[in-house]
Amino acid sequence: AQSVSQHNHHVILSEAASLELGCNYSYGGTVNLFWYVQYPGQHLQLLLKYFSGDPLVKGIKGFEAEFIKSKFSFNLRKPSVQWSDTAEYFCAGLAGTALIFGKGTTLSVSS
Amino acid sequence: DAGVTQSPTHLIKTRGQQVTLRCSPISGHKSVSWYQQVLGQGPQFIFQYYEKEERGRGNFPDRFSARQFPNYSSELNVNALLLGDSALYLCASSFAENNQPQHFGDGTRLSIL
Repeated sequence: AQSVSQHNHHVILSEAASLELGCNYSYGGTVNLFWYVQYPGQHLQLLLKYFSGDPLVKGIKGFEAEFIKSKFSFNLRKPSVQWSDTAEYFCAGLAGTALIFGKGTTLSVSS
Repeated sequence: DAGVTQSPTHLIKTRGQQVTLRCSPISGHKSVSWYQQVLGQGPQFIFQYYEKEERGRGNFPDRFSARQFPNYSSELNVNALLLGDSALYLCASSFAENNQPQHFGDGTRLSIL
């Protein structure tokens, strides 16, 4: 079965710390992967996506993710987090036309 | 520009009742998808409609149904509500037939008593 798993349930960081959130996918065929963010009180927003080509994908707000096929991974990174990055982060894969989401990681950034 | 709008924002029902949730896609978008997000979990795909035809269905019982109207708005119906149906129901719209990228609404919070 197609699935997406996220390693970290809750991550707590201080401002300026580096961030890496893990994501692994489990399905074959064409791999299309996404990271979505949900800020408190707001709707899900697309951070970045990987369809093909350069495995290092840059998104909005300084986020990036690297697709590593051999590890079935698509980890999200940011060199220096800000308090405003406090949010829920979801990794997702595309199965047909449906998004398959991981359980999400809550990121709390203290100032 | 107006984003995806969903109504109502919150809804409280009792077991056995029926509920209808509504979604208006972004102007020009022809694809609408529905997701269920239970507390502490990621969204789970329920349905996708494109040009008023069902294009995808997730692993949900027949109590769940949906339709898309000529103006591309959509309704999600759930019959015989169970306590486990308590969740945030998200609607997403997309312009393209491949349903990418998907733009999400704020959701309808459904509570079953």
